[in-house]
Amino acid sequence: AQTVTQSQPEMSVQEAETVTLSCTYDTSESDYYLFWYKQPPSRQMILVIRQEAYKQQNATENRFSVNFQKAAKSFSLKISDSQLGDAAMYFCAYRSYSGNTGKLIFGQGTTLQVKP
Amino acid sequence: DAGVTQSPTHLIKTRGQHVTLRCSPISGHKSVSWYQQVLGQGPQFIFQYYEKEERGRGNFPDRFSARQFPNYSSELNVNALLLGDSALYLCASSLVGMNTEAFFGQGTRLTVV
Repeated sequence: AQTVTQSQPEMSVQEAETVTLSCTYDTSESDYYLFWYKQPPSRQMILVIRQEAYKQQNATENRFSVNFQKAAKSFSLKISDSQLGDAAMYFCAYRSYSGNTGKLIFGQGTTLQVKP
Repeated sequence: DAGVTQSPTHLIKTRGQHVTLRCSPISGHKSVSWYQQVLGQGPQFIFQYYEKEERGRGNFPDRFSARQFPNYSSELNVNALLLGDSALYLCASSLVGMNTEAFFGQGTRLTVV
């Protein structure tokens, strides 16, 4: 069974600085998707960035980028130029490529505080 | 376009009661998934439905059931509620296929007393 682990329950960053959130996962599959979701106090889960495991190039979306290390099964999220609106809970998630199921496996989450 | 809508937003039930949660997917999305998120933890997969059939089930007891209607909306039912069922229940909809994104609703906060 696949598992996702986020070892940082809480992180804080100064506004305009850079922060990195860690995520490791365990799987025996070779093809899969990895995601970072943001959950603000409004509770709605919002997709931040996704990575296909077969792609060697790290995904980027504006101020958000990932460091995907397939052999190490590591998938960290870097937030550059942090803004107050980035404060939220962040979840790393895994989705299998095989089978036609959209089941997401989430980590425990990291609460990000952004200090003005 | 409206996003994923869930109702009700909040709900308080007594132990032993039954509850029905509802989800309307984004127009054109035929797949609906349900997740349970206990406070301070990550969401846990409960069910996935598309084309009105169950396509995936998480490690939840038979007290949890769901169904999908011809218009692709979905209901999650929980019988014989326990205190431990208190959680945020999230619904996500997506197009059918592998390279698709799941869009989440704002959830239903269920409190069992």
